[in-house]
Amino acid sequence: EAGVAQSPRYKIIEKRQSVAFWCNPISGHATLYWYQQILGQGPKLLIQFQNNGVVDDSQLPKDRFSAERLKGVDSTLKIQPAKLEDSAVYLCASSLPGTGGRETQYFGPGTRLLVL
Amino acid sequence: AQSVAQPEDQVNVAEGNPLTVKCTYSVSGNPYLFWYVQYPNRGLQFLLKYITGDNLVKGSYGFEAEFNKSQTSFHLKKPSALVSDSALYFCAVRDMRDSNYQLIWGAGTKLIIKP
Repeated sequence: EAGVAQSPRYKIIEKRQSVAFWCNPISGHATLYWYQQILGQGPKLLIQFQNNGVVDDSQLPKDRFSAERLKGVDSTLKIQPAKLEDSAVYLCASSLPGTGGRETQYFGPGTRLLVL
Repeated sequence: AQSVAQPEDQVNVAEGNPLTVKCTYSVSGNPYLFWYVQYPNRGLQFLLKYITGDNLVKGSYGFEAEFNKSQTSFHLKKPSALVSDSALYFCAVRDMRDSNYQLIWGAGTKLIIKP
């Protein structure tokens, strides 16, 4: 079974530029998550989708971050404009539809972003 | 408050010795607990989870974890460490107050296995 795919793996941009990350979840996984992981910390949830609807985006900095999941499969996370503090690893995860919290999230390899 | 603590930033173990990575939690109700491992420049890989039942949970790569309700702990263990086990380990717990059951993550423990 193929895992969660993400691209690109690495990205270096200058502040105020824009960047986009792509994620393709495990086939059949209706729930998709985007996390931000700053070096030395645990992941921080940015947004959660159920199919193509947003379930939780309470921690997404909406003035600069946006995400979409058209057709309920793959997803794109965009940052515009980027700030220095956005330097982090962006992780995508997916899971089967919720079973009261029992479901396991499976992660992609992540995209390492460096903002100069 | 719902929280997870990994009290050790780093754990050093000699190859072949048993290892323990500690995790304690504070949640309302019955906890759903998870362990993930992160190798350098890689995403998080699921190791094991406790939902209900037997307090000793077995997972991938020979790891196991023991759920202790009275001590609110879920320590990760392995009987004999390998150098290849060196990685960053994260404990997480479901926030059962959250209708979306978000995961609350620990800060991570760096495990170093020395030959």
